[in-house]
Amino acid sequence: ETGVTQTPRHLVMGMTNKKSLKCEQHLGHNAMYWYKQSAKKPLELMFVYNFKEQTENNSVPSRFSPECPNSSHLFLHLHTLQPEDSALYLCASSPGLAGEGYEQYFGPGTRLTVT
Amino acid sequence: GQNIDQPTEMTATEGAIVQINCTYQTSGFNGLFWYQQHAGEAPTFLSYNVLDGLEEKGRFSSFLSRSKGYSYLLLKELQMKDSASYLCAVTDSNYQLIWGAGTKLIIKP
Repeated sequence: ETGVTQTPRHLVMGMTNKKSLKCEQHLGHNAMYWYKQSAKKPLELMFVYNFKEQTENNSVPSRFSPECPNSSHLFLHLHTLQPEDSALYLCASSPGLAGEGYEQYFGPGTRLTVT
Repeated sequence: GQNIDQPTEMTATEGAIVQINCTYQTSGFNGLFWYQQHAGEAPTFLSYNVLDGLEEKGRFSSFLSRSKGYSYLLLKELQMKDSASYLCAVTDSNYQLIWGAGTKLIIKP
């Protein structure tokens, strides 16, 4: 498998459930990101990890909890979500930080629906 | 505040040329990206500009004017497969990446 993979591709969960999104990159990159994409809105950067260390947390509610066990894997743990959290969640990786000019490679995303 | 403006939607004809504009107001500037996103798919990188001027890559070119806070993406010899959303993103002085909402481009035969 090459590039950036995400599982599951679709997820429906109730507001009281706990679930996790998984991202894996096979590109040898050092930085990984979680984004939220809602219709007709800009991409919202949620978390950034560089060399497994979290470098950004853009005021994301605590019901979203990231985990980066190594440079190739990134998780987003979800609990007690709200219907407005329904969106496409994209994972991305880059050789260095995107803010320093490195292009990002995106996974196909997880379409999350909170009922 | 920080802001990126792009047209919401544009329509063009197959074989023609289209220019997608992006204007930005950010606290400093360290580079500008363009990404393409087909419906239901992941964004893919198109170009990166950090200096003023035009960067050409095949049918696609990207222009930057830092003094005007302005960039455009120029697509030539349009093909039906170019129907997609085009996302502009700017890196500010803190190296934070700020995204525009994207321009949906519709190509008609």
